[in-house]
Amino acid sequence: QQQVRQSPQSLTVWEGETAILNCSYEDSTFDYFPWYWQFPRESPALLIAIRPVSNKKEDGRFTIFFNKREKKLSLHITDSQPGDSATYFCAASARNYNQGKLIFGQGTKLSIKP
Amino acid sequence: VTLLEQNPRWRLVPRGQAVNLRCILKNSQYPWMSWYQQDLQKQLQWLFTLRSPGDKEVKSLPGADYLATRVTDTELRLQVANMSQGRTLYCTCSAGLGGHQDTQYFGPGTRLLVL
Repeated sequence: QQQVRQSPQSLTVWEGETAILNCSYEDSTFDYFPWYWQFPRESPALLIAIRPVSNKKEDGRFTIFFNKREKKLSLHITDSQPGDSATYFCAASARNYNQGKLIFGQGTKLSIKP
Repeated sequence: VTLLEQNPRWRLVPRGQAVNLRCILKNSQYPWMSWYQQDLQKQLQWLFTLRSPGDKEVKSLPGADYLATRVTDTELRLQVANMSQGRTLYCTCSAGLGGHQDTQYFGPGTRLLVL
């Protein structure tokens, strides 16, 4: 059973536009939501993360919007750059059990056209 | 700064043969170590989290059987057996559980291909 879902599977936007990547989850005990990005032939790297105490987390051009009631998150990338082209993974974990276990979505492959 | 070293970086595995992977922690401030697999469709899946030397766990997933061992405070091992499809194995580390310590850092990975 897929507990974390991402959409779309792939996304292409023009340079300078805002890319919006979506994520939803099922388990209401999840309390930590990191986003990782992965470039071809590289390992995943942490991009930005949020906890349910906040409904927004911003880091430069990257912003997470969090809706606890609907169990949804979205990652907004403003002023998209070709260097942002990567696969983005939404993940979730619950501190109180299965500690150390991150559950990942299927990923969104983002392409930025110059 | 590199936190994790994995070896080998890639390996061709004859069908039916087991392979042993190592992960070395370079910074003892991140002692919680885990294994993740990434399949050919890019799906990442948690396998194990082992904290203390001597900890061992086994797991069977579609396409492979796994045995993980925390050998020392800085070394984690993974034996992969009965692999039917290629995959990449990542080692991760984190400072702890809870708060900002939850951040998991990925190693460079070991890519396994089936012969």
